[in-house]
Amino acid sequence: SAVISQKPSRDICQRGTSLTIQCQVDSQVTMMFWYRQQPGQSLTLIATANQGSEATYESGFVIDKFPISRPNLTFSTLTVSNMSPEDSSIYLCSVEFGTDTQYFGPGTRLTVL
Amino acid sequence: DAKTTQPPSMDCAEGRAANLPCNHSTISGNEYVYWYRQIHSQGPQYIIHGLKNNETNEMASLIITEDRKSSTLILPHATLRDTAVYYCIVRVVGYGQNFVFGPGTRLSVLP
Repeated sequence: SAVISQKPSRDICQRGTSLTIQCQVDSQVTMMFWYRQQPGQSLTLIATANQGSEATYESGFVIDKFPISRPNLTFSTLTVSNMSPEDSSIYLCSVEFGTDTQYFGPGTRLTVL
Repeated sequence: DAKTTQPPSMDCAEGRAANLPCNHSTISGNEYVYWYRQIHSQGPQYIIHGLKNNETNEMASLIITEDRKSSTLILPHATLRDTAVYYCIVRVVGYGQNFVFGPGTRLSVLP
């Protein structure tokens, strides 16, 4: 398995601002994923980040709102731009290890006031 | 949409076996059954997965019916720390195949 860390673990932000969330893995991985979990809901995939190429976004998520970087095989960032209270969620990154399984980071709990 | 159906909640007495059912009647031949759990808004934790044979690891056992249309996750001796939301997911194995999470089953282990 992989050890995944996220920064920050939680934050409280003002509407209209942006927050960048970091995801660090202790092993080189090809595929990284970003999920959102709104309060009381299940996880929803935002985008898939493959090193060396543009992220692939799911329906309902756009690059201008959730820009993603993937500069190397152990790191990725997700930015939540121009935040509104509706963006209050837990944001999770995950990595694919081999072809079998994804492992998840601890999550970033974001509250937008 | 998620391809699985799970009961929204279940209770289990501490020390007893917890049996969590999952229906996946439209599962394809190349789709595996995965189980994850999420403890109080932490990141989901991988538990176990299988294709058609029963699987067991240090955490749990996975029993898949012969027609593969349903499965059961068994926690043999549930503890209070097993209280969590359990997600049953079917997924094709392969690079870039994401997991589609349904609402899961909220398991409460009672003292």
